[in-house]
Amino acid sequence: DAMVIQNPRYQVTQFGKPVTLSCSQTLNHNVMYWYQQKSSQAPKLLFHYYDKDFNNEADTPDNFQSRRPNTSFCFLDIRSPGLGDAAMYLCATSSAPGGPRYTQYFGPGTRLTVL
Amino acid sequence: AQSVTQLDSQVPVFEEAPVELRCNYSSSVSVYLFWYVQYPNQGLQLLLKYLSGSTLVKGINGFEAEFNKSQTSFHLRKPSVHISDTAEYFCAVSERNNDMRFGAGTRLTVKP
Repeated sequence: DAMVIQNPRYQVTQFGKPVTLSCSQTLNHNVMYWYQQKSSQAPKLLFHYYDKDFNNEADTPDNFQSRRPNTSFCFLDIRSPGLGDAAMYLCATSSAPGGPRYTQYFGPGTRLTVL
Repeated sequence: AQSVTQLDSQVPVFEEAPVELRCNYSSSVSVYLFWYVQYPNQGLQLLLKYLSGSTLVKGINGFEAEFNKSQTSFHLRKPSVHISDTAEYFCAVSERNNDMRFGAGTRLTVKP
């Protein structure tokens, strides 16, 4: 089945130690998104790629970076995780950034714990 | 820019009772509307969506929603809930060619 895969499902890191979260998709979608979801809150969009074009949300901290080496993979890099970065990180894809084909499909998420 | 308000943060109901989860949106242009469900420690799963056409939209797991343009609402309904419907439900809105914005979520708890 075509799907969005996130690895690992659970990640533990130390304060200040860089961490990378991975997302892959078999949907062949052009757009990939990263969201941060803190406990009992709505997902918050960090940034997205439309093909190779990177689109950062205005309030996304510089501590968060992303890479998309090819259509299938997208990575979220947190350069120096703080305690406030502990959250569920959700990857999503869509075939277009808007318009009638616009629906986002989500992966299962990676829960990040910062010690 | 669009925004979404989910009027109830928590909705407790008994098994086999009907349920309605309320969602209102704010936008000055045409919108697309979505409902997602999130089970504990999992990602979001699309329940249903309204893009155009019929205002009554049927989704998975027996859920349906009705788009009401005059009231700017997109309420989610199910005539008879099961224990397995216990989850967090998110309403989301997207203006044409804009990113999606989520509501704060409604926690549905189904009690035996």
